[in-house]
Amino acid sequence: DGGITQSPKYLFRKEGQNVTLSCEQNLNHDAMYWYRQDPGQGLRLIYYSQIVNDFQKGDIAEGYSVSREKKESFPLTVTSAQKNPTAFYLCASGGNRGEEQPQHFGDGTRLSIL
Amino acid sequence: QKEVEQDPGPLSVPEGAIVSLNCTYSNSAFQYFMWYRQYSRKGPELLMYTYSSGNKEDGRFTAQVDKSSKYISLFIRDSQPSDSATYLCAMSFNTDKLIFGTGTRLQVFP
Repeated sequence: DGGITQSPKYLFRKEGQNVTLSCEQNLNHDAMYWYRQDPGQGLRLIYYSQIVNDFQKGDIAEGYSVSREKKESFPLTVTSAQKNPTAFYLCASGGNRGEEQPQHFGDGTRLSIL
Repeated sequence: QKEVEQDPGPLSVPEGAIVSLNCTYSNSAFQYFMWYRQYSRKGPELLMYTYSSGNKEDGRFTAQVDKSSKYISLFIRDSQPSDSATYLCAMSFNTDKLIFGTGTRLQVFP
């Protein structure tokens, strides 16, 4: 089945620790995205990548980092510089510019502070 | 003023009712409009996708875009308890950087 797989489903971070969230897609989409969802605030864009080995900051990139070494994979690292990391993190793919292709989402990773 | 405004609800309706969900927006350059459904602890699921103005129907769901009023709607006919979820509107200039509403929580009771 084609889709977007996020892991783990739940993640806990200790003070000063970096953690990495995984996102894999087998939809053959060029573009991939990371969003953060907080109660009452909707989804906010952290980073996005429209092609392998290239990515751009979204609206709230501070304290996060990404890489895009393979078309299928777009991992997100939440660094210790992110002081309020507790949130629901959603990965999406699709939306290639010029192709009128809407974004589809994975089932998210819930990150909490220990 | 937020770029996209959406009433958070909750909206509570009896089974079989017609549901109307709405978003308003401020940027007239938006061209792509989407509705997503999100169940608790799950990712958003694409329901409807519209380019520019007009109506689009898919089963019990109808999406409307009125660019002159900067207003989009999602109608759900014959609502079911399984429709109980949060509904997110989203829009963009292209299909890449989406701007989301905060979501409307819908409850359909038997």
